[in-house]
Amino acid sequence: NAGVTQTPKFRILKIGQSMTLQCTQDMNHNYMYWYRQDPGMGLKLIYYSVGAGITDKGEVPNGYNVSRSTTEDFPLRLELAAPSQTSVYFCASSYSKEWGNGYTFGSGTRLTVV
Amino acid sequence: KNEVEQSPQNLTAQEGEFITINCSYSVGISALHWLQQHPGGGIVSLFMLSSGKKKHGRLIATINIQEKHSSLHITASHPRDSAVYICAVRRSQIIQGAQKLVFGQGTRLTINP
Repeated sequence: NAGVTQTPKFRILKIGQSMTLQCTQDMNHNYMYWYRQDPGMGLKLIYYSVGAGITDKGEVPNGYNVSRSTTEDFPLRLELAAPSQTSVYFCASSYSKEWGNGYTFGSGTRLTVV
Repeated sequence: KNEVEQSPQNLTAQEGEFITINCSYSVGISALHWLQQHPGGGIVSLFMLSSGKKKHGRLIATINIQEKHSSLHITASHPRDSAVYICAVRRSQIIQGAQKLVFGQGTRLTINP
């Protein structure tokens, strides 16, 4: 049972490039989340999804897009990367509609924009 | 001021010491979570609290709702406890249809042998 799988683990992007961070879970969880973690700061919510076909913005959605065509996959798209998007990105999933309850996190993607 | 504040930000101790990490929050909450982030980056959930105290092995978490404060204690600390410990609260207020999480900045714990 793999849990939540994020790829890639590391990536360096040039300013203006685009990329997709992949997140896949095999637990049939309805609820999925993307967070970013900046040094000295708490995790910030980028986007979330309560089921296939349903997504919504979090606290810091600018510069990102998501889709949820299947229950398993919740990719995060960065368009026109900027240095401010340098961060560690975490995907999480849960069986529970109660935020924080039953969260399983991916291992993270460390992204550097230069 | 952050809605969730952890102290200390960094803590170094010797193996065997009793460890306390604190979390204070300024918003109404329906639950509080303690998470552990391993040096490799993975995050796991340790506790979910809405009142009182919970214990799991050498870890104990307490919460005082009136004082808006929670503590995470580690007894007989060990180098493998070295990690970042994160406090997160679930808001009781519904914003945009959800009671979302607010995260503290984390406490980096290093236990030396």
